[in-house]
Amino acid sequence: GNSVTQMEGPVTLSEEAFLTINCTYTATGYPSLFWYVQYPGEGLQLLLKATKADDKGSNKGFEATYRKETTSFHLEKGSVQVSDSAVYFCALSDRGGATNKLIFGTGTLLAVQP
Amino acid sequence: IAGITQAPTSQILAAGRRMTLRCTQDMRHNAMYWYRQDLGLGLRLIHYSNTAGTTGKGEVPDGYSVSRANTDDFPLTLASAVPSQTSVYFCASSIESGEKLFFGSGTQLSVL
Repeated sequence: GNSVTQMEGPVTLSEEAFLTINCTYTATGYPSLFWYVQYPGEGLQLLLKATKADDKGSNKGFEATYRKETTSFHLEKGSVQVSDSAVYFCALSDRGGATNKLIFGTGTLLAVQP
Repeated sequence: IAGITQAPTSQILAAGRRMTLRCTQDMRHNAMYWYRQDLGLGLRLIHYSNTAGTTGKGEVPDGYSVSRANTDDFPLTLASAVPSQTSVYFCASSIESGEKLFFGSGTQLSVL
């Protein structure tokens, strides 16, 4: 079945460091791909998405490119801030059958130190 | 205030007790979902509803039931709670299934 695998955390970085969080997926067909972010004590919120191959999603300095050839959707940011500390979830939309539900990865905790 | 409201925020429950987690949205979204979040397992879908009057089973439905009598409300019921149901529960909604999800702030449930 469809699944999402993302790198395990925690990832600890200093402020202004470059961030990469890896995400790969297994899916039949052409799913949409998402990154959600969960700040401490809150629910998840959409960070960015891409709906087809080679699309680049971007928001708040974060970017991710839908790579069909490598089945990947890695999250990147050139210069992280302390306020980026959160848990990041990669997800895909499962378009199999009648349910277009989202399948999430296990999440990656990012801790940015001043 | 637009969005999703979950109640209670947290609850400690004795094993064997019945519990209903409430979820209300005022965005007129068609689809609603219940996820549980556990360390190392991410979010797993319990039940979903693509539109009022319909429900479906997700990845981990056993021990849970839902109803969708109207567009706004999507309660999750644990008929007889067990310790393995200790988790953080998130309700979510989307305009249509498979689109951007909007999440509530979660319910921390501890079953002792």
